[in-house]
Amino acid sequence: KNEVEQSPQNLTAQEGEFITINCSYSVGISALHWLQQHPGGGIVSLFMLSSGKKKHGRLIATINIQEKHSSLHITASHPRDSAVYICAASGMNSGGSNYKLTFGKGTLLTVNP
Amino acid sequence: NAGVTQTPKFQVLKTGQSMTLQCAQDMNHEYMSWYRQDPGMGLRLIHYSVGAGITDQGEVPNGYNVSRSTTEDFPLRLLSAAPSQTSVYFCASSYRGPLLGEQFFGPGTRLTVL
Repeated sequence: KNEVEQSPQNLTAQEGEFITINCSYSVGISALHWLQQHPGGGIVSLFMLSSGKKKHGRLIATINIQEKHSSLHITASHPRDSAVYICAASGMNSGGSNYKLTFGKGTLLTVNP
Repeated sequence: NAGVTQTPKFQVLKTGQSMTLQCAQDMNHEYMSWYRQDPGMGLRLIHYSVGAGITDQGEVPNGYNVSRSTTEDFPLRLLSAAPSQTSVYFCASSYRGPLLGEQFFGPGTRLTVL
């Protein structure tokens, strides 16, 4: 079974701390997405990557294809970063399709002032 | 651009009723998809479409139908609602699919089946 696992499930931090959320997957993939979902709602795409590293503002996403692992980092965290962060994989080898996303269960991040 | 829109935002159905969840996008995206989100389960793909007239099943298609007659619209039909279909439903679109591009999500429809 193709699986995407995230850790931790819940994370509480103080404002200003450096945050790391991890995502591992069981088989080779074509691309990895990081998404953000604020309480009550909508889902926003943060990154899509298939190799290396991407940066947008205080957010950094990395992927290690050989180790089947990706991380999302938040520098200088702020209470407005409080949200659920979700990773999702496409093109999972073992029958996966490039048109299908397999999602992790999400990491609930709470940043306290 | 309005992006991806979904209607209704909330819906309560009785077991056995049918209804259609609407999804539309104005970005000329070829790829559209429907997901359901349940506590502790993560998002799961119901159906997807790679273009007008082309649809395919996802991970949990039973009890749902889709069609794609235009590029803009991708409605999801519940044929005979069951309590197990109580969930939050999200529609998403992208230019060419999850391998090639960023996914844009609608605001979601919260469905309760009594």
